[in-house]
Amino acid sequence: AQTVTQSQPEMSVQEAETVTLSCTYDTSESDYYLFWYKQPPSRQMILVIRQEAYKQQNATENRFSVNFQKAAKSFSLKISDSQLGDAAMYFCAYLRRGAQKLVFGQGTRLTINP
Amino acid sequence: NAGVTQTPKFRILKIGQSMTLQCTQDMNHNYMYWYRQDPGMGLKLIYYSVGAGITDKGEVPNGYNVSRSTTEDFPLRLELAAPSQTSVYFCASSSNPSRETQYFGPGTRLLVL
Repeated sequence: AQTVTQSQPEMSVQEAETVTLSCTYDTSESDYYLFWYKQPPSRQMILVIRQEAYKQQNATENRFSVNFQKAAKSFSLKISDSQLGDAAMYFCAYLRRGAQKLVFGQGTRLTINP
Repeated sequence: NAGVTQTPKFRILKIGQSMTLQCTQDMNHNYMYWYRQDPGMGLKLIYYSVGAGITDKGEVPNGYNVSRSTTEDFPLRLELAAPSQTSVYFCASSSNPSRETQYFGPGTRLLVL
């Protein structure tokens, strides 16, 4: 069974600085998708970024980018120029191609210090 | 579009009571999901559906039931509430989970005493 591990329960960063959240996963599949979701205090889950495993190029969305290391099964999220609104729980998730079910990590709580 | 809506927002149940958590989406998505999120933890899949009339168990289905009579609605039923079911419940939907995001509802906080 696939598993997703986020080894950092909590992280904090100064406003305007850069922070990296870690995620590793375990799978025997070669074709899959990886996601980062943000959950602010409102509890609404928001998709931040998506990576397709067959693409070597790392996905980017404005201040958010990933470092996808397929051989190492690592999928970290980098947030540049951190803003107060980035404070939230961040969840890494895995989806096997053709499957219907996301597998989520335990989450990392990110605090932004003004 | 309202997206994914859930009712109620919050509910207190006594042990042994039953209730239905409602979930509706107006995006014509075939795929719908129910997750639970315990304090400080990630999301665990309870049940999911790939279309009207089709449901399947997720990771933690015990104590729950679902039905999917229409594309829009995916209610989650708790028959005999237990304290272990105290959690926040999220409903989500997607048009194609391999290529598109799952859209989440705002959640229902359930407290079983």
